[in-house]
Parts: sequence; C-alpha cells; structure tokens
Amino acid sequence: DIVMTQSPGSLAVSLGERATINCKSSQSVLTYLAWYQQKPGQPPKLLIYGASTRQSGVPDRFSASGSGTDFTLTISSLQAEDVAVYYCQKYHAPPLTFGGGTKVEIK
Amino acid sequence: EVQLVESGGGLVQPGGSLRLSCAASGFTFNNHWMNWVRQAPGKGLEWVANIKEDGSENHYVDPVKGRFTISRDNAEKSVFLQMNSLRVEDTAVYYCARGSRSNGWLGDYWGLGTLVSVSS
Repeated sequence: DIVMTQSPGSLAVSLGERATINCKSSQSVLTYLAWYQQKPGQPPKLLIYGASTRQSGVPDRFSASGSGTDFTLTISSLQAEDVAVYYCQKYHAPPLTFGGGTKVEIK
Repeated sequence: EVQLVESGGGLVQPGGSLRLSCAASGFTFNNHWMNWVRQAPGKGLEWVANIKEDGSENHYVDPVKGRFTISRDNAEKSVFLQMNSLRVEDTAVYYCARGSRSNGWLGDYWGLGTLVSVSS
C-alpha cells in the first residue's frame, strides 16, 4: 500500500507569516491528492482537491501544488483561525490513506 | 444544506458488535459514494470503508476486512457500518463522509462523528 508522509509534524508560525506543509507519497498518486483542515473538536474540512484546486469557500491564502509523489500546502499569511491540524489524503485508489498530520500553531 | 448525522456509538467489550448509522439530508443521497473514516483518541485520520452509490461496490482498509461491513439504504438516505469482533484498537471517533460528485472517493462533507469505545 502507498504510504503518505507529512512534514513537519508541527510548526509554529507568526501571524501574517507563511506556513508550508509537505506531503510525500511512496508511489505516484498523480494529482489525486486532497488537503483537509481539522480544528480541535471538529470534523475535518476539505480545503484542496486535485492537488491544487480550492474547495468552494476556502480563502485564497490557502494554496497547494504538486503531482506524482511530492505535494505542498501553503498558507500565505497565517491567521489565528488557521490554527489546526492539516492532513493530506490520496484518493485515486483504496486504501484512501491519510498522512500523519501537521499541527500548525501561532508563534 | 448538507447534513450527516452519525449515531450508534458507545462502550462495548472486546469481541462485541456495534452498528453505526449515518443519516443524510440536504442532497441526493443515491448520487454519492459514502465513506467511513475513524480517528483514535489523539491520533490521525484513518479511512475505514466506502460504498458505491447503488451499493454494488465497496472497499475496506485491511485491519477491518472480514470484521466490518458497510451497507446503505437509499430509500432511508442512510449508510451503516456493522462492526463485529471489535478490538481495543478499534476505539475511535467514527465519521461519515460524503463522496464528491466529481470523485466519489473524495470526502467533501463530514458529520460530527460518533465515539466507539472498546474496553473490558
């Protein structure tokens, strides 16, 4: 099975600064890669699909790129409401594996 | 408004069974794949199973194969997860997630989850 590896496991960023999260798959997933945001006590929320397409209503400070095995999620200007755990997920074939998550906090 | 409401969680002993339900509203249920995803306390997300729009196809993660069964009732707009031979490591919040129209394996809306605790 394909393994999804996220890095870093956590990061602390100052308000207004950029946050970058990486996701690497052990085999190509083409662009069948999604990013989710999970705030404490809430279910995950779909942010990005197709590796780079923002879900409707997601602020444009969230952007993503990549294809094949290497993907990146960027928050261009971190806001207080962006504190959350972010997960990548491959969805081109089962099992629909998630990465281990990246916790984003305010520095 | 899309709504997914899970129910059926609770405390069960190892080896026991539970049946989770997810009631859907606000969309045409029989046009969407449906997924179950779980999250152990303090841990990450694990996709568990999914089922095709008409129930003719389903998939499972290896640790639950042969123990869990996903099903759906399109007339009742509900999806179910029958969990047998439960283990301590099945303890988690179980989320129901709708598959998107563009790709049924992409979860675009999620319920709030139901907690399953397996303990003696």
